[in-house]
Amino acid sequence: DGGITQSPKYLFRKEGQNVTLSCEQNLNHDAMYWYRQDPGQGLRLIYYSQIVNDFQKGDIAEGYSVSREKKESFPLTVTSAQKNPTAFYLCASSIARQETQYFGPGTRLLVL
Amino acid sequence: DAKTTQPPSMDCAEGRAANLPCNHSTISGNEYVYWYRQIHSQGPQYIIHGLKNNETNEMASLIITEDRKSSTLILPHATLRDTAVYYCIALISNFGNEKLTFGTGTRLTIIP
Repeated sequence: DGGITQSPKYLFRKEGQNVTLSCEQNLNHDAMYWYRQDPGQGLRLIYYSQIVNDFQKGDIAEGYSVSREKKESFPLTVTSAQKNPTAFYLCASSIARQETQYFGPGTRLLVL
Repeated sequence: DAKTTQPPSMDCAEGRAANLPCNHSTISGNEYVYWYRQIHSQGPQYIIHGLKNNETNEMASLIITEDRKSSTLILPHATLRDTAVYYCIALISNFGNEKLTFGTGTRLTIIP
């Protein structure tokens, strides 16, 4: 079954701690994206990657970091510099840029 | 960048057709109209997209007006599982940063 998986479904972060959210796709898509969604609001782009070993900042990249060492994987690290990390994090992928984006099930991050 | 406007909420009786409107009066000639939906606490689900012509797939139909200033998503036989927030988006392209900007969408409630 092809698709996008995100893990974990729920993640708890203590103050001062870095946490990493996983995103994997087996769709052979070149482009991958990370979005943040706050309650009752739309999506905001954090980072995106069009090909392996390349990624670009989105609108709200501060306090986040990513890597794209493999085509299938695009992990997002929420660093301690992100002062308000509680949100629903969504990963998406598309076969190429300007193509339809497909989303994973999301990871809900909560701060203890 | 084309902004889209949708009604905040709509109800539809189960088994009837749900017609969701979207205004995008500033859309440019090369921007597609995309529709996604999001069921509570899940990742957005792609529904359909189009440029000029009406489109139909197994989920829905998309009717775009001739001047492209508005469109309507039609769910032909709504079921309770169609209760979700529906987002109408004009695909934004800015020097390769193809991000999806979701507004607040239309909360569609299917009534038994």
